[in-house]
Amino acid sequence: AQKVTQAQTEISVVEKEDVTLDCVYETRDTTYYLFWYKQPPSGELVFLIRRNSFDEQNEISGRYSWNFQKSTSSFNFTITASQVVDSAVYFCALSASNTGNQFYFGTGTSLTVIP
Amino acid sequence: DADVTQTPRNRITKTGKRIMLECSQTKGHDRMYWYRQDPGLGLRLIYYSFDVKDINKGEISDGYSVSRQAQAKFSLSLESAIPNQTALYFCATSDFSTGGSYEQYFGPGTRLTVT
Repeated sequence: AQKVTQAQTEISVVEKEDVTLDCVYETRDTTYYLFWYKQPPSGELVFLIRRNSFDEQNEISGRYSWNFQKSTSSFNFTITASQVVDSAVYFCALSASNTGNQFYFGTGTSLTVIP
Repeated sequence: DADVTQTPRNRITKTGKRIMLECSQTKGHDRMYWYRQDPGLGLRLIYYSFDVKDINKGEISDGYSVSRQAQAKFSLSLESAIPNQTALYFCATSDFSTGGSYEQYFGPGTRLTVT
């Protein structure tokens, strides 16, 4: 079975603080993909990153960075020097080849950045 | 123009009514999906289609049906709407190549209220 757990339901930080959003996944497939999406208050879902199971390199994009660790089945997302515009709900998702590449989403983490 | 469009954007309907939500895409993707989002539950897959002749049930297909009229169009129907189908509905598309699972691109969502 495929499962994504985002244990942090809500997080509040003060602007300029760093914040890490946790994502833990479960799959028996050896080939899988992990994703992060952002849902700002306007409601649309914005794709942020894709990572496949064969690539454990961390990735940095501006103030965003992702830490993929297969040993702990985690794919955590860090925002450095948070800004008010980062306030949104963030979803982690898993796609595995043995389930037809369906997406399984976590329940999301609502991040509020306080000015 | 948006790559994935959904109509209507908002809809209020009464219990027992039939309603159709429509999705169109200009991304040229073969794969299309319908999700519903409920507070605290993340996104759950209703139906998905890998091409015009391929329709598959997702996690929560009961009470819903779909039609893939063309590569670019995928409609979701509620045959007899009930209040617990009140939710935010998203259409998504993705590309796919052998050995890969690509990110999904989402429409703006349809907010459906069943009274």
